[in-house]
Amino acid sequence: QKEVEQNSGPLSVPEGAIASLNCTYSDRGSQSFFWYRQYSGKSPELIMSIYSNGDKEDGRFTAQLNKASQYVSLLIRDSQPSDSATYLCAGGRIFGTGTRLQVFP
Amino acid sequence: NAGVTQTPKFQVLKTGQSMTLQCAQDMNHNSMYWYRQDPGMGLRLIYYSASEGTTDKGEVPNGYNVSRLNKREFSLRLESAAPSQTSVYFCASSFARGDTQYFGPGTRLTVL
Repeated sequence: QKEVEQNSGPLSVPEGAIASLNCTYSDRGSQSFFWYRQYSGKSPELIMSIYSNGDKEDGRFTAQLNKASQYVSLLIRDSQPSDSATYLCAGGRIFGTGTRLQVFP
Repeated sequence: NAGVTQTPKFQVLKTGQSMTLQCAQDMNHNSMYWYRQDPGMGLRLIYYSASEGTTDKGEVPNGYNVSRLNKREFSLRLESAAPSQTSVYFCASSFARGDTQYFGPGTRLTVL
Protein backbone atom coordinates (compact mmCIF):
# COMPACT_ATOMS: atom_id res chain seq x y z
CA GLN A 1 0.00 0.00 0.00
CA LYS A 2 1.43 3.35 -1.04
CA GLU A 3 1.43 5.70 1.93
CA VAL A 4 2.13 9.27 2.88
CA GLU A 5 2.65 9.87 6.59
CA GLN A 6 2.41 13.04 8.62
CA ASN A 7 2.33 13.88 12.30
CA SER A 8 -1.26 14.87 13.07
CA GLY A 9 -0.21 17.58 15.54
CA PRO A 10 -1.35 20.04 16.62
CA LEU A 11 1.83 21.98 16.03
CA SER A 12 1.65 25.18 18.03
CA VAL A 13 3.97 28.08 17.22
CA PRO A 14 3.97 31.73 18.28
CA GLU A 15 3.26 34.46 15.77
CA GLY A 16 6.40 35.39 13.86
CA ALA A 17 8.10 32.02 14.37
CA ILE A 18 9.02 29.42 11.76
CA ALA A 19 6.63 26.46 11.47
CA SER A 20 8.15 23.24 10.18
CA LEU A 21 5.89 20.55 8.78
CA ASN A 22 7.18 17.15 7.72
CA CYS A 23 6.01 14.25 5.60
CA THR A 24 7.42 10.89 4.51
CA TYR A 25 6.25 8.74 1.60
CA SER A 26 6.65 5.08 0.71
CA ASP A 27 6.33 5.08 -3.10
CA ARG A 28 9.78 5.62 -4.60
CA GLY A 29 8.10 6.04 -7.98
CA SER A 30 6.33 9.25 -6.91
CA GLN A 31 7.43 12.17 -9.09
CA SER A 32 5.35 15.04 -7.78
CA PHE A 33 4.69 16.32 -4.29
CA PHE A 34 2.27 18.90 -3.01
CA TRP A 35 1.38 20.81 0.12
CA TYR A 36 -2.25 21.84 0.47
CA ARG A 37 -3.78 24.04 3.16
CA GLN A 38 -7.27 23.27 4.44
CA TYR A 39 -9.22 25.58 6.69
CA SER A 40 -11.91 24.00 8.84
CA GLY A 41 -15.01 23.27 6.78
CA LYS A 42 -13.34 24.26 3.52
CA SER A 43 -11.73 22.40 0.65
CA PRO A 44 -7.95 21.95 0.25
CA GLU A 45 -6.06 24.60 -1.69
CA LEU A 46 -2.55 24.33 -3.10
CA ILE A 47 0.30 26.02 -1.22
CA MET A 48 3.34 24.56 -2.96
CA SER A 49 4.29 21.91 -5.47
CA ILE A 50 7.77 20.39 -5.76
CA TYR A 51 9.10 17.92 -8.30
CA SER A 52 12.88 17.79 -7.89
CA ASN A 53 15.32 17.41 -5.01
CA GLY A 54 16.17 20.56 -3.10
CA ASP A 55 14.34 23.65 -1.97
CA LYS A 56 11.60 25.70 -3.60
CA GLU A 57 10.65 29.07 -2.16
CA ASP A 58 7.48 31.09 -2.65
CA GLY A 59 7.08 34.08 -0.39
CA ARG A 60 6.99 32.91 3.23
CA PHE A 61 6.81 29.25 2.20
CA THR A 62 9.69 26.89 1.39
CA ALA A 63 9.17 23.30 0.32
CA GLN A 64 12.02 20.82 0.57
CA LEU A 65 12.25 17.44 -1.16
CA ASN A 66 14.75 14.67 -0.47
CA LYS A 67 13.97 11.69 -2.69
CA ALA A 68 16.78 9.55 -1.25
CA SER A 69 15.23 9.84 2.22
CA GLN A 70 11.65 9.92 0.84
CA TYR A 71 11.01 13.06 2.82
CA VAL A 72 9.13 16.28 2.06
CA SER A 73 8.88 19.31 4.32
CA LEU A 74 7.23 22.72 4.38
CA LEU A 75 8.65 25.70 6.25
CA ILE A 76 6.45 28.69 6.97
CA ARG A 77 8.42 31.78 7.97
CA ASP A 78 6.95 34.65 9.97
CA SER A 79 3.92 32.54 10.88
CA GLN A 80 0.63 34.41 11.19
CA PRO A 81 -2.59 33.47 12.99
CA SER A 82 -4.18 33.24 9.53
CA ASP A 83 -1.82 30.32 8.80
CA SER A 84 -3.69 28.25 11.41
CA ALA A 85 -5.12 25.37 9.38
CA THR A 86 -4.52 21.73 8.52
CA TYR A 87 -1.68 21.13 6.07
CA LEU A 88 -1.97 18.12 3.80
CA CYS A 89 1.05 16.53 2.15
CA ALA A 90 0.44 14.60 -1.07
CA GLY A 91 2.59 12.37 -3.22
CA GLY A 92 0.79 12.34 -6.56
CA ARG A 93 -2.81 11.51 -5.70
CA ILE A 94 -2.08 9.92 -2.29
CA PHE A 95 -2.64 12.22 0.67
CA GLY A 96 -1.38 12.15 4.23
CA THR A 97 -3.78 12.62 7.11
CA GLY A 98 -2.67 16.23 7.62
CA THR A 99 -0.92 18.23 10.33
CA ARG A 100 -2.92 20.79 12.25
CA LEU A 101 -1.01 24.04 12.74
CA GLN A 102 -1.97 26.57 15.39
CA VAL A 103 -0.31 29.99 15.37
CA PHE A 104 -0.97 31.92 18.56
CA PRO A 105 -0.57 35.72 18.95
CA ASN B 1 -14.69 30.59 -14.55
CA ALA B 2 -16.24 28.56 -11.72
CA GLY B 3 -13.41 26.01 -11.34
CA VAL B 4 -14.76 22.77 -9.83
CA THR B 5 -18.41 22.68 -8.81
CA GLN B 6 -20.20 19.99 -6.82
CA THR B 7 -23.85 19.35 -6.12
CA PRO B 8 -25.46 18.97 -3.70
CA LYS B 9 -23.64 20.73 -0.84
CA PHE B 10 -25.47 18.76 1.84
CA GLN B 11 -27.47 15.53 1.75
CA VAL B 12 -29.12 13.25 4.31
CA LEU B 13 -29.99 9.72 3.23
CA LYS B 14 -31.54 6.73 4.91
CA THR B 15 -29.72 3.40 4.84
CA GLY B 16 -30.36 1.66 1.53
CA GLN B 17 -31.22 4.78 -0.45
CA SER B 18 -29.27 5.67 -3.57
CA MET B 19 -27.96 8.98 -4.82
CA THR B 20 -25.55 10.52 -7.29
CA LEU B 21 -23.04 13.24 -6.47
CA GLN B 22 -22.34 15.52 -9.40
CA CYS B 23 -19.06 17.20 -10.25
CA ALA B 24 -18.11 19.48 -13.13
CA GLN B 25 -14.99 21.45 -14.03
CA ASP B 26 -14.52 24.22 -16.57
CA MET B 27 -10.70 24.26 -16.65
CA ASN B 28 -10.33 21.81 -19.57
CA HIS B 29 -8.64 19.33 -17.24
CA ASN B 30 -8.13 15.75 -18.34
CA SER B 31 -8.05 14.03 -14.94
CA MET B 32 -10.75 13.99 -12.30
CA TYR B 33 -10.93 12.44 -8.83
CA TRP B 34 -13.35 11.59 -6.05
CA TYR B 35 -12.14 11.59 -2.44
CA ARG B 36 -13.81 11.11 0.89
CA GLN B 37 -12.56 12.80 4.04
CA ASP B 38 -13.25 11.45 7.50
CA PRO B 39 -11.93 12.81 10.81
CA GLY B 40 -8.38 11.60 11.40
CA MET B 41 -8.29 9.75 8.07
CA GLY B 42 -7.24 12.46 5.67
CA LEU B 43 -8.33 12.35 2.05
CA ARG B 44 -8.85 8.86 0.66
CA LEU B 45 -9.17 8.29 -3.07
CA ILE B 46 -12.37 6.52 -4.09
CA TYR B 47 -12.10 6.56 -7.90
CA TYR B 48 -10.28 8.59 -10.47
CA SER B 49 -10.44 9.18 -14.20
CA ALA B 50 -7.12 9.84 -15.87
CA SER B 51 -8.81 10.94 -19.07
CA GLU B 52 -12.21 11.01 -20.70
CA GLY B 53 -13.47 7.46 -21.18
CA THR B 54 -11.36 5.85 -18.45
CA THR B 55 -11.99 5.21 -14.77
CA ASP B 56 -9.95 3.39 -12.15
CA LYS B 57 -10.41 2.32 -8.55
CA GLY B 58 -8.63 4.13 -5.76
CA GLU B 59 -8.06 3.09 -2.15
CA VAL B 60 -11.71 2.76 -1.04
CA PRO B 61 -13.96 1.97 -4.05
CA ASN B 62 -16.35 -0.50 -2.40
CA GLY B 63 -19.95 0.70 -2.37
CA TYR B 64 -19.39 3.34 -5.06
CA ASN B 65 -19.60 3.62 -8.82
CA VAL B 66 -18.49 6.43 -11.09
CA SER B 67 -19.23 7.75 -14.54
CA ARG B 68 -17.04 10.06 -16.58
CA LEU B 69 -19.87 11.53 -18.60
CA ASN B 70 -17.67 13.76 -20.74
CA LYS B 71 -14.48 15.75 -20.25
CA ARG B 72 -16.18 18.18 -17.87
CA GLU B 73 -18.29 15.90 -15.69
CA PHE B 74 -17.50 13.06 -13.29
CA SER B 75 -20.27 11.65 -11.12
CA LEU B 76 -20.15 9.40 -8.05
CA ARG B 77 -23.05 7.06 -7.30
CA LEU B 78 -23.95 5.33 -4.06
CA GLU B 79 -26.27 2.45 -5.00
CA SER B 80 -27.28 1.46 -1.46
CA ALA B 81 -26.07 3.93 1.13
CA ALA B 82 -24.67 2.70 4.44
CA PRO B 83 -23.90 4.66 7.65
CA SER B 84 -20.19 3.96 7.01
CA GLN B 85 -20.48 6.22 3.95
CA THR B 86 -21.22 9.26 6.11
CA SER B 87 -18.41 11.59 5.13
CA VAL B 88 -17.41 14.73 3.28
CA TYR B 89 -16.90 14.03 -0.42
CA PHE B 90 -14.55 16.13 -2.53
CA CYS B 91 -14.23 16.14 -6.27
CA ALA B 92 -10.97 17.38 -7.78
CA SER B 93 -9.46 17.84 -11.21
CA SER B 94 -6.00 18.24 -12.67
CA PHE B 95 -4.60 18.87 -16.13
CA ALA B 96 -2.91 15.45 -16.11
CA ARG B 97 -2.11 12.66 -13.68
CA GLY B 98 0.37 13.86 -11.08
CA ASP B 99 -0.40 17.56 -11.60
CA THR B 100 -1.80 19.99 -9.07
CA GLN B 101 -5.36 19.14 -8.13
CA TYR B 102 -8.10 21.73 -7.79
CA PHE B 103 -10.87 20.86 -5.40
CA GLY B 104 -14.58 21.52 -5.37
CA PRO B 105 -16.35 22.83 -2.24
CA GLY B 106 -17.37 19.36 -1.05
CA THR B 107 -20.59 17.50 -0.30
CA ARG B 108 -21.44 16.69 3.31
CA LEU B 109 -23.31 13.39 3.30
CA THR B 110 -25.02 11.84 6.30
CA VAL B 111 -26.47 8.34 6.12
CA LEU B 112 -28.88 7.48 8.91
